[in-house]
This record gives sequence, structure tokens and C-alpha cells, in this order.
Amino acid sequence: SQKIEQNSEALNIQEGKTATLTCNYTNYSPAYLQWYRQDPGRGPVFLLLIRENEKEKRKERLKVTFDTTLKQSLFHITASQPADSATYLCALDGYSTLTFGKGTMLLVSP
Amino acid sequence: NAGVTQTPKFRILKIGQSMTLQCTQDMNHNYMYWYRQDPGMGLKLIYYSVGAGITDKGEVPNGYNVSRSTTEDFPLRLELAAPSQTSVYFCASSYREHNEQFFGPGTRLTVL
Repeated sequence: SQKIEQNSEALNIQEGKTATLTCNYTNYSPAYLQWYRQDPGRGPVFLLLIRENEKEKRKERLKVTFDTTLKQSLFHITASQPADSATYLCALDGYSTLTFGKGTMLLVSP
Repeated sequence: NAGVTQTPKFRILKIGQSMTLQCTQDMNHNYMYWYRQDPGMGLKLIYYSVGAGITDKGEVPNGYNVSRSTTEDFPLRLELAAPSQTSVYFCASSYREHNEQFFGPGTRLTVL
């Protein structure tokens, strides 16, 4: 079955630095991949969708890459702010459904 | 637009009781989903629907049932609640596949 892995340890960085989160997957070749943000006690919020032929996608301070050879997606937040502190979920976009990773908690300290 | 709404926000059930979690969206989305999220775990898909009258099982459907009689509503039914169903339940919707999903605020369910 398809497996999706995100770093289970929290990522601690200082304000202003670039945060990089990793999403690895096996046993699957999705044509799309999505990233979501989840704050404590709330539902996930969509951030970005990237297609397999796009390699890289940007939205304001966010950047996502998608390497189908390595079966890996990287999610970058540049000039990070304490308000970026949250859990970030990677999701494989398959046939009508998403398969989510467990998420990586990002903590940005002032 | 209210987006995706879920009721109730919290509920405590006794083992063996039944209940229905309500989900409504006002975005005229065709696709709707039910997920459960356990502490430290990712979202697990329970059931989904690609349109009114069409439902399909996700990864963890046992112990649950759904129906989709209208575009707006997608209720999740728990029959004979068990402690293993203690979780946070999220409903989501999207216009079509390979689109962003919009999530509701969740229902926190405890089965004792």
C-alpha cells in the first residue's frame, strides 16, 4: 500500500530563517501533491497543490518542489514568522481522494 | 458563505450508543469526505462521495455508514459506538478531484 512519511520531530527555527519540511512517499506515483496547514483544534487549511510536471510552485513566502524520481516533496517557508507555527500536512492526491501524512510541527521562535 | 459546517462540536457517547455527525457545505461542491484524526496521526479517510447518491469506502470504513441524498449534506452515522471510535472527525468538500479540500471545524467524539 502507499506510504507517506513526514518528519515526526518538530522543526524549531528562528524568525526570519527559511523552514524546509520534507515529504517522502513510496509505492505510489501521484500526479498531484497537496500541502495543508493545521492549527491546534482546527481543521486543515489548503496551501498549495503541485502537479508532477511542475517541479516547483510558489505562493508568496511559500515554495513547494515535487521530485517524482526521488518520490519527495519539499515545502519551504521563507522569512518565517512566529505566526507560521503550526503543523504542516503533506497529501498524495490520487483518484478522487487524498492520503495524508502525519504532519510535521513547525515552531518559529521570535 | 459559511463553508463547511459540522455539528456537534463535542459529544460523549456510551459504548453501544449510536449517533449521526452532521456535515453541510454551501459551496455547491460535488465531492465530500469524512476523515478521522487520532492524536499524533494523520487524517484517515472513512468515506467519500463524488456526488449526490454516490458514496464509497475510504481506508477505515468499519463501524460507520454514510448517505448523500443532497449535494449539500453528507451525514456520518456511527452504529454501536466503541472506544476505538474516540477521535476527532473532520468533514471536507471540494469542487472536483485534484482540487483543494475545504475542511470543517471538526467534531470531537469520546466513547466511554
